[in-house]
Amino acid sequence: DQQVKQNSPSLSVQEGRISILNCDYTNSMFDYFLWYKKYPAEGPTFLISISSIKDKNEDGRFTVFLNKSAKHLSLHIVPSQPGDSAVYFCAASASGTYKYIFGTGTRLKVLA
Amino acid sequence: KAGVTQTPRYLIKTRGQQVTLSCSPISGHRSVSWYQQTPGQGLQFLFEYFSETQRNKGNFPGRFSGRQFSNSRSEMNVSTLELGDSALYLCASSLPGTGTGNTIYFGEGSWLTVV
Repeated sequence: DQQVKQNSPSLSVQEGRISILNCDYTNSMFDYFLWYKKYPAEGPTFLISISSIKDKNEDGRFTVFLNKSAKHLSLHIVPSQPGDSAVYFCAASASGTYKYIFGTGTRLKVLA
Repeated sequence: KAGVTQTPRYLIKTRGQQVTLSCSPISGHRSVSWYQQTPGQGLQFLFEYFSETQRNKGNFPGRFSGRQFSNSRSEMNVSTLELGDSALYLCASSLPGTGTGNTIYFGEGSWLTVV
């Protein structure tokens, strides 16, 4: 039972344009969400978080949007840079479970 | 501030052997969790520890175990290794909290190959 889904395995974007990575979840108890970037042979690097009491959080070039009714979140990267090329994971957690459920990742390729 | 440190980074073991992986959390972080990443899969939750107590465990067989020490350092052990245990094992730490709203920070991982 895949509670967190990233339906696009890969995405290519031109440098300078917007990258939009999507994530869907099924468990309405999830109340905290994280996005990570991962390069090969490295651990995931935390990018940005959002709590279920918010619908948007911004940090520099990264913005995360949360649509609770649709159980959908998205990560926007503007402007995209070649160094952003990596695999991006979304993760969700429910209060008191002390664990995160991860999506299977989206490979972003930013073309120079 | 030093990040999460995992040792060893790479190791090769034979089927049937056991392995112990070590994790030192970020200074001041008291929660440590472990995840497994296999090729083509997302990260799968193994277990989480806080103040030496396991608070949650994922859907893994009993061959997978862990513990946390009083200094918050953690170890995980896999006994009777199988080929399917070949994976990247990731440790993450977070500040003390109630279990919600805590960002977890990952180490570089331990690459385990079982032959």
